[in-house]
Amino acid sequence: DAMVIQNPRYQVTQFGKPVTLSCSQTLNHNVMYWYQQKSSQAPKLLFHYYDKDFNNEADTPDNFQSRRPNTSFCFLDIRSPGLGDAAMYLCATTLAGGPISGQETQYFGPGTRLLVL
Amino acid sequence: GQNIDQPTEMTATEGAIVQINCTYQTSGFNGLFWYQQHAGEAPTFLSYNVLDGLEEKGRFSSFLSRSKGYSYLLLKELQMKDSASYLCAVRPASGGSYIPTFGRGTSLIVHP
Repeated sequence: DAMVIQNPRYQVTQFGKPVTLSCSQTLNHNVMYWYQQKSSQAPKLLFHYYDKDFNNEADTPDNFQSRRPNTSFCFLDIRSPGLGDAAMYLCATTLAGGPISGQETQYFGPGTRLLVL
Repeated sequence: GQNIDQPTEMTATEGAIVQINCTYQTSGFNGLFWYQQHAGEAPTFLSYNVLDGLEEKGRFSSFLSRSKGYSYLLLKELQMKDSASYLCAVRPASGGSYIPTFGRGTSLIVHP
């Protein structure tokens, strides 16, 4: 089945120790997003890729970086995790601007729950 | 900008009907999504409204009034598995219609 996959599902890291979260998709969607979601809060968009074009949200800390080496994969790098970065990180995809473009529904991966010690 | 408002929490009884409201003030509008999110899991798509009126899909229905900036999700014949957070998300009309803004979600608790 076509899907969005995130690894790992749970990640424990130490304060200040770099960590990388990964996302892959078999949907061949051109847009990939990274969201941060804390308990009882709305998902907060960190950045997204439209094809190879990287788009950073204005309030995304410099501590967060992303890479998209090809259509299928996208990575979230947290260079120096702080206690405030503990959250669920959601990867999502959509097909934007296609011939059947309409609602551009987002498809989410299962998320990676990050714990910072 | 976008401002989306949903109740924080609702409770209901198994077998009952519940309506979850969402109001929005946006600089442009190009459709509204409802997503379901179980604890510790990713959001999953429930419905999409772009025109005024009611969209029915099994036990779930979603309503939109663009003039009032208002939507609701109606859940019928509630089951215990419907206990989850329900997120309302609005698509902007421009500046990236593929980047919806999410509300903080309504946590629905269904009890026996």
